[in-house]
Amino acid sequence: RKEVEQDPGPFNVPEGATVAFNCTYSNSASQSFFWYRQDCRKEPKLLMSVYSSGNEDGRFTAQLNRASQYISLLIRDSKLSDSATYLCVVNMHFGNEKLTFGTGTRLTIIP
Amino acid sequence: EAGVTQSPTHLIKTRGQQATLRCSPISGHTSVYWYQQALGLGLQFLLWYDEGEERNRGNFPPRFSGRQFPNYSSELNVNALELEDSALYLCASRSWEQFFGPGTRLTVL
Repeated sequence: RKEVEQDPGPFNVPEGATVAFNCTYSNSASQSFFWYRQDCRKEPKLLMSVYSSGNEDGRFTAQLNRASQYISLLIRDSKLSDSATYLCVVNMHFGNEKLTFGTGTRLTIIP
Repeated sequence: EAGVTQSPTHLIKTRGQQATLRCSPISGHTSVYWYQQALGLGLQFLLWYDEGEERNRGNFPPRFSGRQFPNYSSELNVNALELEDSALYLCASRSWEQFFGPGTRLTVL
């Protein structure tokens, strides 16, 4: 079983729609969680950290379910500029940093 | 504030050669991470350096090595290059979150 698993997609979603991604992780001792976005042939950029209480940043909402070991990302009112690959990232070891990345979910927003 | 920088942008080598990739972290960051992103695959953790020492290593053979200098910049060395080493190599530095450099695209012919 992979340490971090994501549906690779692709998700093709009309502009203005709401889209949700899930990600599961295998190590229950994982400490911190992030969503990154990566545009084609570019480096990953942090989208948001994910906290147990859930957090929201504009149109983006991230949630963490420790009991079920999954992380979600919700994008509301999707824009063309949201087209990218979204990477779920888990830090397995506090103090022994090693981010583990999912393979990413590809999202294309259709005009 | 300058971000993470990497050089060169592109690097073309042949099998058996050695490649050296360079990274400068964000000013004030002491940790540098190296990742490999092969085509169609996710980012794979390679190495973590902090305060000049190797702190952790991913599942890569010993021909992948590196070092961190007193100014916290870092080098990644790949010896005896193989075709499957062709990938985007990303460097990151961190405070809480990791910030990535633009990467070095290594092509092995």
